[in-house]
Amino acid sequence: DIQMTQSPSSLSASVGDRVTITCRASQTISIYLNWYRQKPGTAPELLIYAASSLQSGVPSRFSGSGSGTDFTLTISSLQPEDFATYYCQQSYSTLYTFGQGTKVEIK
Amino acid sequence: EEQLLESGGGLVQPGGSLRLSCAVSGFTFTTYAMSWVRQAPGKGLEWVSGISPSGDTTYYADSVKGRFTISRDASKSTLYLQMNSLRAEDTAVYYCAKEAYTNYPNFDYWGQGTLVSISS
Repeated sequence: DIQMTQSPSSLSASVGDRVTITCRASQTISIYLNWYRQKPGTAPELLIYAASSLQSGVPSRFSGSGSGTDFTLTISSLQPEDFATYYCQQSYSTLYTFGQGTKVEIK
Repeated sequence: EEQLLESGGGLVQPGGSLRLSCAVSGFTFTTYAMSWVRQAPGKGLEWVSGISPSGDTTYYADSVKGRFTISRDASKSTLYLQMNSLRAEDTAVYYCAKEAYTNYPNFDYWGQGTLVSISS
């Protein structure tokens, strides 16, 4: 199976901060990489697909980059609703796998 | 509007069985692959199983292979997960998720989840 490793596992930030989360795959996955945000007590929601494509309706402060094994999710200006947990997910293999998550907390 | 509604969760003893359902509306069910994703209490997301639009191809995580069976009923627009030989580590919220129709698979719509608890 393809292992996905996110860093950091958690971070503290303030409203308005620029935040970057990284995700590394255990083997090359081209751009088969998605990002999700999960607010407490709710289902995950898709933010970015194919490494850098913004899902319809998602604010432009979210952006993704990378290919191969290394990927990045950037939030340009953190908003109150962005304090949540973020997951990367690979869809290169039919046995999909998620990263362990990155919790973004209020500083 | 796409909607997915899971049901069937509950408390079951170890070794028992449970069948989860996910009723969908707002999109053509037979066009899209579907998956089950679970989340143990306080833990991250784990993909469990997936099924092709026609239902003829299925996929399973190693952790559930041989114990869980995914299926779909086009006439009812419903996705199922039959779970047998349940273990304490299967305790989780189970989400059904719709796979977007794209060259780069992703889960664009999710249900609200149903809680499965395995305990004696």
